[in-house]
Amino acid sequence: KQEVTQIPAALSVPEGENLVLNCSFTDSAIYNLQWFRQDPGKGLTSLLLIQSSQREQTSGRLNASLDKSSGRSTLYIAASQPGDSATYLCAVRNGGSNYKLTFGKGTLLTVNP
Amino acid sequence: DAGVIQSPRHEVTEMGQEVTLRCKPISGHNSLFWYRQTMMRGLELLIYFNNNVPIDDSGMPEDRFSAKMPNASFSTLKIQPSEPRDSAVYFCASRPPLAGGNNEQFFGPGTRLTVL
Repeated sequence: KQEVTQIPAALSVPEGENLVLNCSFTDSAIYNLQWFRQDPGKGLTSLLLIQSSQREQTSGRLNASLDKSSGRSTLYIAASQPGDSATYLCAVRNGGSNYKLTFGKGTLLTVNP
Repeated sequence: DAGVIQSPRHEVTEMGQEVTLRCKPISGHNSLFWYRQTMMRGLELLIYFNNNVPIDDSGMPEDRFSAKMPNASFSTLKIQPSEPRDSAVYFCASRPPLAGGNNEQFFGPGTRLTVL
């Protein structure tokens, strides 16, 4: 059974810092991995999706990397801003399934002005 | 374009009452998902519909939970009778027809359910 773990559970940083969020998964036979952002009282917004054949994806100040063989992904946020404060979730789509996502419990990020 | 619409946004009810959560997927999407989010268990898939047909309901916790999708633009998740341990945020998500391996799901804002 696939398990997804995110460390740390919470992170507080001053504005302007570069930071890394970690995601690990137990079964490396994944189809892709996705990073989401969740704001309080709102749904999930997809940030980046990395196919299993890819090593990284970039969008603005965000960079996500994937090392499938070791079961790890990182989300790098450059020059953090208070508006980046949210919960960040990673989810893997397991190989052999065209719909099932397994989510981590998220990292609550607070960027202090 | 309107995203996934869920109603109500908040629901407070008493144990034993029936609760109905509603979802309108994005127009043109043919897959619909119901998830439950709790602090202890995180986000869990409850049921998955494709073309209005339930494909995987293995995540539905017990017979008190039921879901329907009578047409492509509407789905309900019903809990009868409700219990305090059902308190959670329930999300609906939809997805367009698969193309090129993209399976991105689009999430609604969720319904926060509190059962007293």
